[in-house]
Amino acid sequence: GAVVSQHPSWVICKSGTSVKIECRSLDFQATTMFWYRQFPKQSLMLMATSNEGSKATYEQGVEKDKFLINHASLTLSTLTVTSAHPEDSSFYICSAREGGGNIQYFGAGTRLSVL
Amino acid sequence: AQSVTQLDSHVSVSEGTPVLLRCNYSSSYSPSLFWYVQHPNKGLQLLLKYTSAATLVKGINGFEAEFKKSETSFHLTKPSAHMSDAAEYFCVGYNFNKFYFGSGTKLNVKP
Repeated sequence: GAVVSQHPSWVICKSGTSVKIECRSLDFQATTMFWYRQFPKQSLMLMATSNEGSKATYEQGVEKDKFLINHASLTLSTLTVTSAHPEDSSFYICSAREGGGNIQYFGAGTRLSVL
Repeated sequence: AQSVTQLDSHVSVSEGTPVLLRCNYSSSYSPSLFWYVQHPNKGLQLLLKYTSAATLVKGINGFEAEFKKSETSFHLTKPSAHMSDAAEYFCVGYNFNKFYFGSGTKLNVKP
């Protein structure tokens, strides 16, 4: 089956620094990738939709200057949390969709802890 | 508005007994529907999908789900629970290029 690799799986950083999370589709080309945030004991909250070669579409309430998304190739999207603060601590999950299909393949998630 | 509702936030079963996780959808058109499982600190793994073919869908690990249009339901079942089934389960709908997530059901399996 399709595999999505997300890296790192866990990161700790100091307040005010930036963190980059990578999401790669390993065996398919992902024209669309999604970034989610998940709070403890809650469902996934869509942050943004990323299409290869174009600007990401952010959901209402998500700061695009804080959460920078780059989808420069058909197999890689990155999420950069800029000037991270403790309230940004969360579990971030990416997913990828092949072509115009309706199946999402998820990465294993990144646990971000901001001190 | 389109939505997916998981009726139970927690379900607890004994090992070896049947599992039923309930999901209802709200949509003007028949959506594609999926069940995903999430183990702690992991991403979501696709269990099965319904995309307007057979209404009874078989997935991995012995799970299956039945699409019932008259009841707007897509409940997930398994005849016999295993300890390794303990996890969070999400019902997800897809329609008009948008995904809709249920709030999740945490399955606890007692020995």
